[in-house]
Parts: sequence; C-alpha cells; structure tokens
Amino acid sequence: RKEVEQDPGPFNVPEGATVAFNCTYSNSASQSFFWYRQDCRKEPKLLMSVYSSGNEDGRFTAQLNRASQYISLLIRDSKLSDSATYLCVVIPDYKLSFGAGTTVTVRA
Amino acid sequence: EAGVTQFPSHSVIEKGQTVTLRCDPISGHDNLYWYRRVMGKEIKFLLHFVKESKQDESGMPNNRFLAERTGGTYSTLKVQPAELEDSGVYFCASSQGQVSNTGELFFGEGSRLTVL
Repeated sequence: RKEVEQDPGPFNVPEGATVAFNCTYSNSASQSFFWYRQDCRKEPKLLMSVYSSGNEDGRFTAQLNRASQYISLLIRDSKLSDSATYLCVVIPDYKLSFGAGTTVTVRA
Repeated sequence: EAGVTQFPSHSVIEKGQTVTLRCDPISGHDNLYWYRRVMGKEIKFLLHFVKESKQDESGMPNNRFLAERTGGTYSTLKVQPAELEDSGVYFCASSQGQVSNTGELFFGEGSRLTVL
C-alpha cells in the first residue's frame, strides 16, 4: 500500500467554482501534513500546512481527519491561476512522503 | 536570493552511459535532499545530506547511483551505468532546519533524465 494516495483527477472546473479533493495516508503515526503545489514542468512549492483543527489561507481550506487518516483541500472561487497539480505531503518520520498529485484545471 | 539550482535541466543519454546531475542548494542550507519522479508516479525520496554527511540514503535504488556533497555545499548525483528505468525527473531540495518542523523544502526545477 502506498504511503500517500490521491485521486489523480483531473478536476476541470469553471472560474469561480469550488473544488475539493482528498488524500489518504497509511501511517497512523504521521504527525505533519502539508499541501504542495506544482505547476507544469516546475518545482513543487509549499502551499500550506494542515493543522488538526483545520486552517484557511485565503481561498484555500485544509482539513485533517486523523481517525480516517485523510487530508482535504478545498479551493473557493477558483481562479485560472489555480490550475496546477496539488501534492499531498505527509511526514511519517522526518522526511517528506508525497502523493502522486491531483490535477486541477480551471477554465474561463 | 538565489533558489535551488540544478544542472542540467534535461539530459538525454543512451543506456549504459553515465550522467552526473548537479545541485546547488540555497546558501546556508545544511540539509540537502534528492528526490525522483518517474512518469506517472509520486515524487520519491532518494537521500538526505546534512552538510557533507549522508544522513539517510535508504531511497537510493541501487549501487548504480552515487551521491556526493563535497564540502557541504553543492551536491552531485551520478548514475553509472544508466538503465531505461532511471528515466525521470530528479529534484534537489534544501532546507535550513529540520523539515519535519516546517514541512518546507525548497526545490529546484529538476533535472529531466531520459535514457534511450
């Protein structure tokens, strides 16, 4: 079983829509969780951390469900610039474990 | 401030040849990581340096891969001899402190390796 699993998508949404997707992780001892964003043929960049109580950063909301071992990301009022691959990242030990990514395409 | 830089951005070689990838981390970052993404798969850890020392090389696929970080500055990753399954994007990343605290690694744009 993979350490981190994501729905690859793609999620094709119109501008202004809300899009949400999850990832699941296998190691129940994992303590730290993050979302990274990767644009086509570019490097991954940290988008936001995911806290136990859930957290927002502008139009982005991240949630953690430890009991079910999943993390979610919700994007409100989608912009064209949100088109990217979103990587779920879990730290089960001291190094990052990546999901394969969820592709989001926002169309005009 | 310069980010993580990698060279070459793209390399095309034949099976059996040797390739050396280079990574210059952000100045002052003691932690340097190599990751690899094979097409369609997730980014996978290869190894981790703290300064010039290998902290963890558990992700290195086999002994055809050799990573070095002389003087604790830039790092090289050599593949010798290259096989078809080595094709992918090799990412280098660096961090100042323990990544487990902040979760933030600064990645280079990657070196795309194609083995024919």
